[in-house]
Amino acid sequence: EDKVVQSPLSLVVHEGDTVTLNCSYEVTNFRSLLWYKQEKKAPTFLFMLTSSGIEKKSGRLSSILDKKELFSILNITATQTGDSAVYLCANSGAGSYQLTFGKGTKLSVIP
Amino acid sequence: DTAVSQTPKYLVTQMGNDKSIKCEQNLGHDTMYWYKQDSKKFLKIMFSYNNKELIINETVPNRFSPKSPDKAHLNLHINSLELGDSAVYFCASSQGLYLSGYTFGSGTRLTVV
Repeated sequence: EDKVVQSPLSLVVHEGDTVTLNCSYEVTNFRSLLWYKQEKKAPTFLFMLTSSGIEKKSGRLSSILDKKELFSILNITATQTGDSAVYLCANSGAGSYQLTFGKGTKLSVIP
Repeated sequence: DTAVSQTPKYLVTQMGNDKSIKCEQNLGHDTMYWYKQDSKKFLKIMFSYNNKELIINETVPNRFSPKSPDKAHLNLHINSLELGDSAVYFCASSQGLYLSGYTFGSGTRLTVV
């Protein structure tokens, strides 16, 4: 069965800190790994990673995938209070119509 | 223009009642999903429809019955509601296997009392 494990489950940091969120996975015929940010309502899409070693970047957020070691990290630099959210990692296998989600990392950024 | 819209946003009901949640997407996607998110924020797939056909039916009680009248709609009907059904239910859609276009609705918070 496909599995996604995120760590840590929760994290409290001060504004300006840099954080690294981890996601390890097991999936049959890996196709993609995705990161989502969930604040109060629906998860919003951040990144999709399909190739190993290629960093995806959007402002202060970046993510990279290691297909050999079966993990991905999400980095957030110079954190702001608006980064406080649950960050969800999900993956899909080839031919699959579904995403398997991890339990998420709850990030709290305090002023 | 909301891409994936769910109604109602909030639903409070008594045990034993039957209720429905509606979902509509205007993205032209051919695949729609229902996910359940529990109090610990864990998102778990319940059902998936592709071109109105059921393709994923995870182990959920048969009190839950999805219905897709067309590609743009996927409704969820729940019979004989139980306390454990309390959760946030998210509808989502994607274009086939291209899951980067996986768009969520804003969720329906169901509370069973």
